[in-house]
This record gives sequence, C-alpha cells and structure tokens, in this order.
Amino acid sequence: AQKITQTQPGMFVQEKEAVTLDCTYDTSDPSYGLFWYKQPSSGEMIFLIYQGSYDQQNATEGRYSLNFQKARKSANLVISASQLGDSAMYFCALYAGAGSYQLTFGKGTKLSVIP
Amino acid sequence: SQTIHQWPATLVQPVGSPLSLECTVEGTSNPNLYWYRQAAGRGLQLLFYSVGIGQISSEVPQNLSASRPQDRQFILSSKKLLLSDSGFYLCAWTLGSSYEQYFGPGTRLTVT
Repeated sequence: AQKITQTQPGMFVQEKEAVTLDCTYDTSDPSYGLFWYKQPSSGEMIFLIYQGSYDQQNATEGRYSLNFQKARKSANLVISASQLGDSAMYFCALYAGAGSYQLTFGKGTKLSVIP
Repeated sequence: SQTIHQWPATLVQPVGSPLSLECTVEGTSNPNLYWYRQAAGRGLQLLFYSVGIGQISSEVPQNLSASRPQDRQFILSSKKLLLSDSGFYLCAWTLGSSYEQYFGPGTRLTVT
C-alpha cells in the first residue's frame, strides 16, 4: 500500500523568504512519481511540480523545487521568494506502479505568507 | 488547450434526496477521468475512475455511483444522500500514460 505523510499542519513564512514543506512517502514499488498541488481558498487543485523515481535531478518549476531524497523517502517542496499569493493548502501526492491510476494524497499543509 | 468544467459549483440538498454532479473535459479525447471527495480540512479520497466510455472502477464502497455516458463526460450520482456525503467533490483528468492529473473547479455539496 502507498502512503504519504505531511507532518506540518500549518506553516508561516515571511514574504520574500524561502520555505520548505515536508513530505515523506512509503511504497514498495520501484516505479513511482511524486506530485505537489496547491489548493487556494477557491478550492481548485493546481499542479505545481512532479518528480519521477528514476529522475536523476531534482525537479524545478520557476520558484518551486522538489528536494528529492530517495533513500530517506522524502520529497520536500521548496518555495523560494514567497509571495502573498502563495498562501494556500499544499498537498503532496504519490502514484506507484506501472498502470496505476490512483494518486494517494497527504493531509496537506496550510501555508500562510506574512507581509 | 484543455479545460475541465464541473457543475453545479455549490449544492445544498436534504438527506435522502438524489444527487447528480457533472464533469466535462474539452480539448482532448479519450481522457482518464476521476472523481475525488475532500472532507473539510482533509486530503483527497479517490472515489471512482474511468479509462473509457462505460468503464468505471470504484475505489470506495458507498452509496455513490459514477457513469461515463460520453467520452468526455463523467457523472457522479446518488439515489439517496447521507449526511456523510457532504464535502468538496473534484473531477480530474489525465491522458494516456501520463500520471499528472488536472483538476476541475469542484462542487461544494452540503447535505442537510
């Protein structure tokens, strides 16, 4: 079975500072992928970044980067230069196994950016 | 470009009443489609997914059902709503072997 753990229910960060949101995962399948989604108060889930288990380099998308530590089974999201618009819920998700259709989501972290 | 629509955006229904939520995708063909539910302050729970017309897989046994009458249409239904059915319902799609799921705006359901 697959499992995602996000241990930080809430985080605060000063505007323009960097912040790391933690995510650990558990799967026995060697082929898997990790996603981060942002959910603002409107409710829509917005895809941010993806890391495959066989990717050699950490994924980056603009101000978002994924700190992938395979041996520790962690996939932390780093947001650089935080903006007020970054205030939202952030979810880590995992798919595992070729042909798998299911994403397993963590419980999320609420990020609040302080002016 | 692809877009995904859900309606209604919000819904208040009494216990025991029927439910029909609709999701449509534009700008693509033969997508994989998904229904998720998010309880207040929680993560997402996969309810159903479909890889083609008439093909529905259920992840969680409950009083909800799903149907896919057309390639880009996915419907979530219930004959009799329970209080525990309240939540935020999200539809998502992927293409082929891609695992990246794109979500619709969601429907907020309150069962009273």
